Amino acid sequence: EIVLTQSPGTLSLSPGERATLSCRASQSVSSSYLAWYQQKPGQAPRLLIYGASSRATGIPDRFSGSGSGTDFTLTISRLEPEDFAVYYCQQYGSSPGLTFGGGTKVEIK
Amino acid sequence: EVQLVESGGGLVKPGGSLRLSCAASGFTFSSYSMNWVRQAPGKGLEWVSSISSSSSYIYYADSVKGRFTISRDNAKNSLYLQMNSLRAEDTAVYYCARAHPGGAAAAPWGQGTLVTVSS
Repeated sequence: EIVLTQSPGTLSLSPGERATLSCRASQSVSSSYLAWYQQKPGQAPRLLIYGASSRATGIPDRFSGSGSGTDFTLTISRLEPEDFAVYYCQQYGSSPGLTFGGGTKVEIK
Repeated sequence: EVQLVESGGGLVKPGGSLRLSCAASGFTFSSYSMNWVRQAPGKGLEWVSSISSSSSYIYYADSVKGRFTISRDNAKNSLYLQMNSLRAEDTAVYYCARAHPGGAAAAPWGQGTLVTVSS
């Protein structure tokens, strides 16, 4: 079973700054099967990135995903006030179902 | 507009049962696999179960295997989760989520329904 470890646990940044979130897998993950989600308090998760680097419908281009193998990154080029939230990576394929990382909280500094 | 609306959550005693429903609209429900994902209070996301478009393939997390049953009714555009032998650790918001084309992600998600298992 693949374990996804996200770091840092919390990222304290100011609006306008660049955010770099890491997701590390315990075994190699197919890039086709790595996704990122955003979750705001009291809301359901929203798909941001699928296939490691493809933006989902309606996602602004300040969000980008990259990586391969065991190391993946979500980058928010310039933080907007609405981007402060919790972000989860997720993989599919090593076993039935979806496996999620523990999350990274992006908070206002 | 694609929409998923969960219902059926509530307070139940340990050992009890509950049936969750997810009503889908705005897309061809019978063409998509569906998922249940849960989130315990203040915790991260945990996949619970998946079902293929024609119910041919069904999968469960080890934590719920033998206690939960996923099903769907394509004629009614509905997804279900029958939960038996509930435990305190099953307390969570339960989300239904459509499989993203390709099946490797989930989108969109419903707003969730809260299940509380407590005596």
